Amino acid sequence: QKEVEQNSGPLSVPEGAIASLNCTYSDRVSQSFFWYRQYSGKSPELIMSIYSNGDKEDGRFTAQLNKASQYVSLLIRDSQPSDSATYLCAVNKKGNFNKFYFGSGTKLNVKP
Amino acid sequence: DTEVTQTPKHLVMGMTNKKSLKCEQHMGHRAMYWYKQKAKKPPELMFVYSYEKLSINESVPSRFSPECPNSSLLNLHLHALQPEDSALYLCASSQEVTATGDGYTFGSGTRLTVV
Repeated sequence: QKEVEQNSGPLSVPEGAIASLNCTYSDRVSQSFFWYRQYSGKSPELIMSIYSNGDKEDGRFTAQLNKASQYVSLLIRDSQPSDSATYLCAVNKKGNFNKFYFGSGTKLNVKP
Repeated sequence: DTEVTQTPKHLVMGMTNKKSLKCEQHMGHRAMYWYKQKAKKPPELMFVYSYEKLSINESVPSRFSPECPNSSLLNLHLHALQPEDSALYLCASSQEVTATGDGYTFGSGTRLTVV
């Protein structure tokens, strides 16, 4: 079983819609959760981090964490074509914070 | 300075060559990382340095040799690589060894091609 699972997509949404990206993790000792955006040929860029159950909002982005169900999601409101990228979910674990486990990423296409 | 700088951006090397990748950060981060990323795959952890000491080696072949000369610099020495080692090599750093808050800051990567 993979540590972190994501639907590879592509997820296609029209411009202005809400994009919903999901991620599940297998180990309950997972401590911190991160969403990275990666444009083709570029390095990953940190968008959001979340550690506590509930929602965390930053501009058009909202991260949601549900530790009981072991999932974390990213909502992108008012999606723009510039949001088209691969979104990587990453987690680390208590006692081994340096090691991040990445999901395989979800490719998002926002169509004008 | 909020960047992680990697050089070179592109590298083509033969299987008998020796080359080095360099990474530098001036954010005061005490943990630095090397990742390897193949096309359409997530980054794979190779090495972690915490306070300039190697803390994690993910069973990486000895043809890859990391070095951390000081808290701001991280090198990856390459020798006798194989074509399958061609990939994007990413350096990253984080605020503290625990890294609960900030995640990684990634450099822009070195695109390595082994011929």
